[in-house]
Amino acid sequence: DTGVSQDPRHKITKRGQNVTFRCDPISEHNRLYWYRQTLGQGPEFLTYFQNEAQLEKSRLLSDRFSAERPKGSFSTLEIQRTEQGDSAMYLCASSLGDLRANEQFFGPGTRLTVL
Amino acid sequence: AQSVTQLDSHVSVSEGTPVLLRCNYSSSYSPSLFWYVQHPNKGLQLLLKYTSAATLVKGINGFEAEFKKSETSFHLTKPSAHMSDAAEYFCVLRNAGNMLTFGGGTRLMVKP
Repeated sequence: DTGVSQDPRHKITKRGQNVTFRCDPISEHNRLYWYRQTLGQGPEFLTYFQNEAQLEKSRLLSDRFSAERPKGSFSTLEIQRTEQGDSAMYLCASSLGDLRANEQFFGPGTRLTVL
Repeated sequence: AQSVTQLDSHVSVSEGTPVLLRCNYSSSYSPSLFWYVQHPNKGLQLLLKYTSAATLVKGINGFEAEFKKSETSFHLTKPSAHMSDAAEYFCVLRNAGNMLTFGGGTRLMVKP
């Protein structure tokens, strides 16, 4: 399968713990995006990378959230001191280049539950 | 500011009958619009996209959508629903930086 992959698919943690998610984009895609989807809502943009550079961050991305893409390939999203409000599906997407016509391909998501 | 409003959170149809999922958008510039589908435990899949070419856009699985600038709408239709169409559908607006703004979603239920 050469699509976008995410790991883990599910994560249950206790409030106050740190969690890290990984996204592997389609290999030739230089843009990588993170979204968050809460129950019953559409996904909301969090941040995106072009190669290893993080170019934009949403106001939704509090100081407890950090994302990296160190070599311009896979990306990690870390949440420190998790809160119950962080419970959501975290989606990763990738696209080729920065042309407006390019489609974003989504991974299956990581479902986070904070107890 | 840009936004997307999906007018129905749930739509229920019988198998073999037409499907209409409604979407209105607000954008300060010429928009790029998409419809994505999300099946349970699967990633979002692109159904179709409008990027300022033909206003009637055909997508996968028999779906199509018509861009109407005067009505700021981009409704999704299908002539005949199939059981496998049951899923969550999202209308999406893309900004100049290629970030996506999603509507709240419409859950389509198909009755046998």
